[in-house]
Amino acid sequence: IVLAQSPGTLSLSPGERATLSCRASQTLSSNYLAWYQQKLGQAPRLLIYGASTRAAGIPDRFSGSGSGTDFTLTISRLEPEDFAVYYCQKYSAWPPWTFGPGTKVEVK
Amino acid sequence: QVQLVESGGGVVQPGRSLSLSCVASGFSFSIYGMHWVRQSPGKGLEWVAVISYDGRNTFYADSVKGRFTISRDNSKNTLYLQMNSLRAEDTAVYYCANDLYSKSSWGVFDYWGQGTQVTVSS
Repeated sequence: IVLAQSPGTLSLSPGERATLSCRASQTLSSNYLAWYQQKLGQAPRLLIYGASTRAAGIPDRFSGSGSGTDFTLTISRLEPEDFAVYYCQKYSAWPPWTFGPGTKVEVK
Repeated sequence: QVQLVESGGGVVQPGRSLSLSCVASGFSFSIYGMHWVRQSPGKGLEWVAVISYDGRNTFYADSVKGRFTISRDNSKNTLYLQMNSLRAEDTAVYYCANDLYSKSSWGVFDYWGQGTQVTVSS
């Protein structure tokens, strides 16, 4: 299963809403999709799993939605610390597990 | 708090070997599957290998199968990755990460280490 993310880069201002898309080449069973945030020079951080469940400690301005092949990560109001690269990833009971190419959210 | 600390990276010639370690603290290491994930500028994030919580089961990405070996020592809270026959395309930052779910490996990468750089070059 191949994951495509769009757009490649999103230029927004703090306080704006960010909408990131992840499309799978085949239906993901049970919406086994996760989202990660990676800031420059840091390791990725788990944000969302099961397409819509926030990981521990993740602010509620981050939300995930979607099913089947189309998934969305929404950041309701961008904070300065939210400018980063975001990856979607498909998971399952068996490997391999694959990531999308990422969407960079940059300051406009 | 959860900490994963990788070590062992460096510069190595093609065809040579390198061994990475990841020391875990702040959680019950022995009940979680553990993964290695790598990141290179050209290929993005790539899952490399997983080992079950008890060490009985291992799986590898096709790109490293037969060359890399993942192992763990639950008495030392330590994860390992033995990398043999290294190639230029193995150049990447290598991260260890624990699975979100205990006693299973679903490929949800919960906590990550800071990463260790491996460069394969002559």
